Amino acid sequence: KNQVEQSPQSLIILEGKNCTLQCNYTVSPFSNLRWYKQDTGRGPVSLTIMTFSENTKSNGRYTATLDADTKQSSLHITASQLSDSASYICVVSARTGTASKLTFGTGTRLQVTL
Amino acid sequence: DAGITQSPRHKVTETGTPVTLRCHQTENHRYMYWYRQDPGHGLRLIHYSYGVKDTDKGEVSDGYSVSRSKTEDFLLTLESATSSQTSVYFCAITAVGQPTINYGYTFGSGTRLTVV
Repeated sequence: KNQVEQSPQSLIILEGKNCTLQCNYTVSPFSNLRWYKQDTGRGPVSLTIMTFSENTKSNGRYTATLDADTKQSSLHITASQLSDSASYICVVSARTGTASKLTFGTGTRLQVTL
Repeated sequence: DAGITQSPRHKVTETGTPVTLRCHQTENHRYMYWYRQDPGHGLRLIHYSYGVKDTDKGEVSDGYSVSRSKTEDFLLTLESATSSQTSVYFCAITAVGQPTINYGYTFGSGTRLTVV
């Protein structure tokens, strides 16, 4: 069964600090991995996408890494801001026939405080 | 969210009543999806559509039906709502069946449904 596990479940950090969120997956056959940011009351918005051959991808203060051998990914947030408070969801796509099969993690809820 | 709207945003309904949620897109994307999001679970696929009148079941399709008579609209119907269907429902669209670097999923803002 395809699974995506994220840790920690929740995290509180001070504004300006860095943090790293983890994602472990067992999805086959692997196609790509995305990190989404979901603000409260909104739908998820894509931050980064990584394929099998990529091991680092940056989007501003967000940097995602992927180790396809160990099936692990991380999302590093640098110099956090209050607006980074949200849930961060790891989503792994498996290649299928008519439409891709997405497996969603349960997310890490990040709170950035003053 | 640009190009995709869900209605209503909030709804409270009684057990046993039918409920229809609407997803409308202006992107002319071929693929449309309905997901539900519950605490302790990742988003789970209910049904999806790969073209007008072409739909298929997802992993949690029991108790739900869908219809797509036009490219832009994808309706999710709960024939007889139950308390276990209390959830936040998200619609998503994508241009291609296999998300790639250039083509990903765009999600709507969600519909919060409460069945009492």
